[in-house]
Amino acid sequence: GENVEQHPSTLSVQEGDSAVIKCTYSDSASNYFPWYKQELGKGPQLIIDIRSNVGEKKDQRIAVTLNKTAKHFSLHITETQPEDSAVYFCAVAGGGTSYGKLTFGQGTILTVHP
Amino acid sequence: NAGVMQNPRHLVRRRGQEARLRCSPMKGHSHVYWYRQLPEEGLKFMVYLQKENIIDESGMPKERFSAEFPKEGPSILRIQQVVRGDSAAYFCASSPGQGEAFFGQGTRLTVV
Repeated sequence: GENVEQHPSTLSVQEGDSAVIKCTYSDSASNYFPWYKQELGKGPQLIIDIRSNVGEKKDQRIAVTLNKTAKHFSLHITETQPEDSAVYFCAVAGGGTSYGKLTFGQGTILTVHP
Repeated sequence: NAGVMQNPRHLVRRRGQEARLRCSPMKGHSHVYWYRQLPEEGLKFMVYLQKENIIDESGMPKERFSAEFPKEGPSILRIQQVVRGDSAAYFCASSPGQGEAFFGQGTRLTVV
């Protein structure tokens, strides 16, 4: 089955700095790559996603890049703010399955210091 | 437009009891997925359902766990004869099919 590795497990930055989280996956048939943000006591919130027919997608301060050859994708957050502090999960789906059947990475605890 | 609704938010059960977790998908969504999140871990897929059908239950434990999504009403995840190892957060997600999945706030099950 699919295997997703996420790094780093914790990330601490100063407000205004950039944060980068990376994930690798094993199944070359995967074609959907979402990122979720989870705050304490809440459910995962979809923040951005990318499909395998594009290499990069940007939404304000958040961007995702995808390298299908190397089977890795990354989340980039610029101009970080304290409210960006949360756990971030990458996920992978595809190979003919629904976009809701996801394999998640282990998560990255992001802390943004004021 | 209400999001994915899960209830109860918190559930305490004694060992050996049954736990029933409910999930109402977003309006217009006919696909439901259940995930389990153990403390300090990521989410693990359990089961994928459409109305009255189980599409993929490859992540469901072989015993004590079952799920349904009836024609009318919410999807139900049922855990029989709960044990301490079942303590976790259980999340439901819904999608319109080939589209993004949106998660509910979860049910936190504690087995005492």
